[in-house]
Amino acid sequence: RKEVEQDPGPFNVPEGATVAFNCTYSNSASQSFFWYRQDCRKEPKLLMSVYSSGNEDGRFTAQLNRASQYISLLIRDSKLSDSATYLCVVAGNTPLVFGKGTRLSVIA
Amino acid sequence: DVKVTQSSRYLVKRTGEKVFLECVQDMDHENMFWYRQDPGLGLRLIYFSYDVKMKEKGDIPEGYSVSREKKERFSLILESASTNQTSMYLCASSFLWSENSPLHFGNGTRLTVT
Repeated sequence: RKEVEQDPGPFNVPEGATVAFNCTYSNSASQSFFWYRQDCRKEPKLLMSVYSSGNEDGRFTAQLNRASQYISLLIRDSKLSDSATYLCVVAGNTPLVFGKGTRLSVIA
Repeated sequence: DVKVTQSSRYLVKRTGEKVFLECVQDMDHENMFWYRQDPGLGLRLIYFSYDVKMKEKGDIPEGYSVSREKKERFSLILESASTNQTSMYLCASSFLWSENSPLHFGNGTRLTVT
């Protein structure tokens, strides 16, 4: 099983839609979790950390399910500007492990 | 705001050349990392460093070396560039070892080896 797995997509959704991505991880000792956003030909940028109790930042909600070893990202009221690749990142006792990303395309 | 600066945005080198990629961060971060990113393969860790003069191999260190003489600077060296090292190279830094300390990336160096 790969360390961090994501559905590569693409997810093509209309403006205003709600979309959710999941990411599974294999190392049960993982301690920290993040979602990054990467625009085409740009560097990844931190979108949000994922806390055990779940957390929300505006239209974005991140959740962690330790029992099933996955994290999720929910985007409500999608905007055209949300079009990007979303990378799931997991950290434990070793350097952060990145998923390969899920591509989202929001269509007018 | 954390600033991670990579010396070149685009670089074209010939096969066999020695190539230096420089990265500087201004936040006094202990940890620094070099990744390469290729379509379909995601981000792959080449080398990382958690202190001055310390270095650790990542997942794909072959053909690369690194240097960390000062805390703020982490250099990636391609001893003899080859065409399969054509890629986007990303430097990153972080404050603490993994615990709720995300990586901050530079804006990348797109290297083409001809």
